[in-house]
Amino acid sequence: AQKVTQAQTEISVVEKEDVTLDCVYETRDTTYYLFWYKQPPSGELVFLIRRNSFDEQNEISGRYSWNFQKSTSSFNFTITASQVVDSAVYFCALSGLETSGSRLTFGEGTQLTVNP
Amino acid sequence: EPEVTQTPSHQVTQMGQEVILRCVPISNHLYFYWYRQILGQKVEFLVSFYNNEISEKSEIFDDQFSVERPDGSNFTLKIRSTKLEDSAMYFCASSRQEAQHFGDGTRLSIL
Repeated sequence: AQKVTQAQTEISVVEKEDVTLDCVYETRDTTYYLFWYKQPPSGELVFLIRRNSFDEQNEISGRYSWNFQKSTSSFNFTITASQVVDSAVYFCALSGLETSGSRLTFGEGTQLTVNP
Repeated sequence: EPEVTQTPSHQVTQMGQEVILRCVPISNHLYFYWYRQILGQKVEFLVSFYNNEISEKSEIFDDQFSVERPDGSNFTLKIRSTKLEDSAMYFCASSRQEAQHFGDGTRLSIL
């Protein structure tokens, strides 16, 4: 069975602070994909990133960076110099091709509030 | 940039009525999905669809639910006899490979 845990239910920061959102996953698959999605107050789900299990290189995209560590089954997401527009619920998700096909298993989400 | 479109954005229905939620996936995508999100909770997988048939479904997707791709562009989710607990946001997604792109969702309210 697949499982994604986002232990931080809510995080509140002040603008310009850096913030890291934690994601820990469980899977029996050797080939799997990890994702982050953003859900702003308007409700849509915005795709941010996909990583496959064979690529442990960290990735940076502007103010966003992702740290994938297979040894600890973690895929953490850091926002540098946070802005008010970053306020949203962020979901980590997993798809394991061998046991669960292409379905996404989502974590519970982390509500990030960035205050001015 | 191409996107997944869902209609309507909000549907209000009496308990026991049938409802059809509509989705137009991205045109060159091959895999289609429905997920739901009960208010304040996480997103849950319902069903995946590939090559004109269901490829996978969750325990939530019981006999009250069905999906169809009636033509080359639409992908629909039907709930036959709605219950109060069906109230949720329903998301359609499509993918060509692994990255699933989501529509803006349909908020379904059952009265």
